[in-house]
Amino acid sequence: QVQLVESGGGVVQPGGSLRLSCVASGFSFRGYGMHWVRQAPGKGLEWVAVIWYDGNNEYYADSVKGRLTISRDNSKNTLYLEMNSLTAEDTAIYYCARAQAGQDSTGYLDYWGQGTLVTVSS
Amino acid sequence: QSVLTQPPSVSGAPGQRVTISCTGSSSNIGAGYDVHWYQQVPGSAPKLLTYGPSNRPSGVPERFSVSKSDTSASLAITGLQAEDEADYFCQSYDSSLSASMFGGGTKLTVL
Repeated sequence: QVQLVESGGGVVQPGGSLRLSCVASGFSFRGYGMHWVRQAPGKGLEWVAVIWYDGNNEYYADSVKGRLTISRDNSKNTLYLEMNSLTAEDTAIYYCARAQAGQDSTGYLDYWGQGTLVTVSS
Repeated sequence: QSVLTQPPSVSGAPGQRVTISCTGSSSNIGAGYDVHWYQQVPGSAPKLLTYGPSNRPSGVPERFSVSKSDTSASLAITGLQAEDEADYFCQSYDSSLSASMFGGGTKLTVL
C-alpha cells in the first residue's frame, strides 16, 4: 500500500535551517508529482510547494518563495524540503502528499503522510 | 485570509443533512479548475474525500457528494453520523497566484 513517512522536524532557532525528508513506498515514486503542505497549530492547511515527477518543475506559495526549496531523489524514493531563514510563522506540521499525476500542479493530493512538526523558537 | 472561503463551523444532528460551502473567484473555481475536498479528524493527517466534479476514492460512502456552480462549490453530507465529526477543507488551483490553494476549513460538529 502507499506509504509516505516524513522525518527531520524539530526545534530550530529563528533564522535557522532544517531539511525535511519524505520516504515513499508502495508505488512508483518516479511517476508522480509530490507536494508539501503545512498546518500551523490549530490552523488550516497551507499549500507550500509541488515538484513534478522528474524534478524539472517546481512551484511555491508566495509565503515561502526564496526560503524553502523542494527537491526529490527518485533513486531513493525520497522527497525533500530544504528550509532556510526560518521564522516563527513557519512553525507547523509539514505533510508530504502525492499528486494525482506526474506533471499536474492543479490536481488533488491522494495520499498523505502523517507529518513532521517544525517549531521555530528561541 | 484564504482565497477560498469556507464557513468556520457547521453542525447537525445524526441522520440530518449538512452542506459546507467553498467560495472562490474567477481565477480559481470560476476559471474551471476542479474543487477537491479533504476530511481531517483531529490528530490525524488529512484524507482525500472527493475529487473533481463527482468522484470519491474507494471506501468513501455515497453519503458524501459535491456540487459546483460559477465561483463556488459545496460538499453535502447526508445521513450524518458521529464519525463524520471532523474538519473539512476544499482545495483548488488559482491561476493568478499560480498556486494550489486550500480553503480555511470548516469544523463539523455532530450534535
